[in-house]
Parts: sequence; structure tokens; C-alpha cells
Amino acid sequence: EAQVTQNPRYLITVTGKKLTVTCSQNMNHEYMSWYRQDPGLGLRQIYYSMNVEATDKGDVPEGYKVSRKEKRNFPLILESPSPNQTSLYFCASSFPGPEQFFGPGTRLTVL
Amino acid sequence: DAKTTQPPSMDCAEGRAANLPCNHSTISGNEYVYWYRQIHSQGPQYIIHGLKNNETNEMASLIITEDRKSSTLILPHATLRDTAVYYCIYGYGKLTFGQGTILTVHP
Repeated sequence: EAQVTQNPRYLITVTGKKLTVTCSQNMNHEYMSWYRQDPGLGLRQIYYSMNVEATDKGDVPEGYKVSRKEKRNFPLILESPSPNQTSLYFCASSFPGPEQFFGPGTRLTVL
Repeated sequence: DAKTTQPPSMDCAEGRAANLPCNHSTISGNEYVYWYRQIHSQGPQYIIHGLKNNETNEMASLIITEDRKSSTLILPHATLRDTAVYYCIYGYGKLTFGQGTILTVHP
């Protein structure tokens, strides 16, 4: 089944404890992207990648890192999480083309 | 940054057409307009996209003005399951979703 998977789906952590949210797609898509969603603010893009080893900042990259060493994976790294990074995170991929496929989301709480 | 303007909320009666407007006055000539929707906290779902011409698929129709500064998504026969947040976006690579329009379809 063609899909974008994210792990973990739910995570509660403490300030400063490094964490990684994984994203994987099995559709051989070149484009991948990370978004965060907060009440009243819609979806905001964190980072995107047009292809392997090519990443670029979105609208809210501060406090996040990404890497794209292989086409299928695009992990999101929070080196020192803070409470303002508590959010719902979505990973998405596309061929490239207009239709982005979104993962199920990761709900992160930073205490 | 690519930004769109949408009404925060709209209502529609079940079975009637829902017309969702979007302003994208800073769109470039080669940028597509995309529409997505999000139900509850699920990942957004692609609906339709267009460049200049009007487009139609099994889910919706997209009307783009001649100057390309605005567009309208049309759900021809809205159902209760179309209640969602609808996002209009444009760009390539770096995308800005904005807050979208909350469409409520009522019986």
C-alpha cells in the first residue's frame, strides 16, 4: 500500500531532550516536506527536500534539523526541544507534482 | 512568501453547491493553484489543482480568474462528509498553507 508513515504517532518529552521523528514513504517520491500545525495558525512548513541531499528551509525552520540521505526517509530532528515546539507534525511527499501525500501526523508535547 | 486569503468560515446546505473563494494576488505566471482539505486532525487531502484553465475532477471543480489573482473551489453537491477545513495554496517547493476556510455542511 502506497503510504507515508511517521513514528512515533504520539510523544511526550521534556525540554532539552533530543528527539527524532521519522518519516518514510514507499512511493519513490522525490519531494518531501515537514509541517507543523497549531490552533489558529493552520499548517506551516518547516523544511522541505526536492531530492536526496537537497533540503531547504520553509517558513518556520528555527529549532529543527532535517536530513535526506536516501529518497524514502526524511527525519525531523529536534536537538533541544522547547515547550513552544509542542504541536501536531505532518510529513508529506510527492513525485513532484501537485498531489502531496500526507502522513497520519505526530502529536508532540514538550514539557 | 506565497500567501493566500480565504474566508475563515462558510456554511452550506447538504446537496447544494459549496463555492469557496481564494485570493492569490501575488501568484507568478508559472505557479499552480492547489486545493487541499483537512478533516479533523488527519493529514490534508489533495483535491484539485490548476494553472490557467478551469479544471474538474471527480471531487470538485476549480475556476481560476483570467488574471489568475483569485480562484473558486466548487463542490457541486455538498454532503455532510465535506465538512472540513479547505486550504488554497500555490508555489513550488516552499508552500504556505495559511489558515484555510472551515466549511460546515448542515442537513
